[in-house]
Amino acid sequence: DTGVSQNPRHKITKRGQNVTFRCDPISEHNRLYWYRQTLGQGPEFLTYFQNEAQLEKSRLLSDRFSAERPKGSFSTLEIQRTEQGDSAMYLCASSLGGRGGNEQFFGPGTRLTVL
Amino acid sequence: SQQGEEDPQALSIQEGENATMNCSYKTSINNLQWYRQNSGRGLVHLILIRSNEREKHSGRLRVTLDTSKKSSSLLITASRAADTASYFCATDRSNDYKLSFGAGTTVTVRA
Repeated sequence: DTGVSQNPRHKITKRGQNVTFRCDPISEHNRLYWYRQTLGQGPEFLTYFQNEAQLEKSRLLSDRFSAERPKGSFSTLEIQRTEQGDSAMYLCASSLGGRGGNEQFFGPGTRLTVL
Repeated sequence: SQQGEEDPQALSIQEGENATMNCSYKTSINNLQWYRQNSGRGLVHLILIRSNEREKHSGRLRVTLDTSKKSSSLLITASRAADTASYFCATDRSNDYKLSFGAGTTVTVRA
């Protein structure tokens, strides 16, 4: 257990539905990241926050995706109008920031299946 | 896009043997990290090596970094069945904290 939690662990939804995932980072970490991983591949960066500010978004993050981190604590990732291509493992990570070495600690992931 | 590339894609060894896997990357980096992932689970951080370091040890793990060749290696000594997992290298760049991962090396340790 890395101290990063994600909910739900699994989500099955029908195409066109909206889904929302939650990530609770390690409490003293000010940076929070979302990645997506498909079968047989390494994780791909989606977006990251420093405190409550969303500082970078990948081109992978279409306008159907939105992420928030209110008050710089937990974060949510919402996917609207899901498509079958959104099926993947969504991973959240957090890091301490500052002069740290950017070690990122990952949660267990949310596996999304879009039917 | 994937910055790193691990080699080999898969590795099968006997318990007690050493496992070595390599990672090559394309652009200059600030840090390189290795992660382990058991099937269908989250990633576990193993070790971080900074661009000005050449070698680092942690328990049965030894990581080397050659920035002139843009490559790193991970050595697991005296492997155990519990080391069966996928191993990923991930890089970041100066003032850019997102990680770029390779596709990973799948290691199977046979009892």
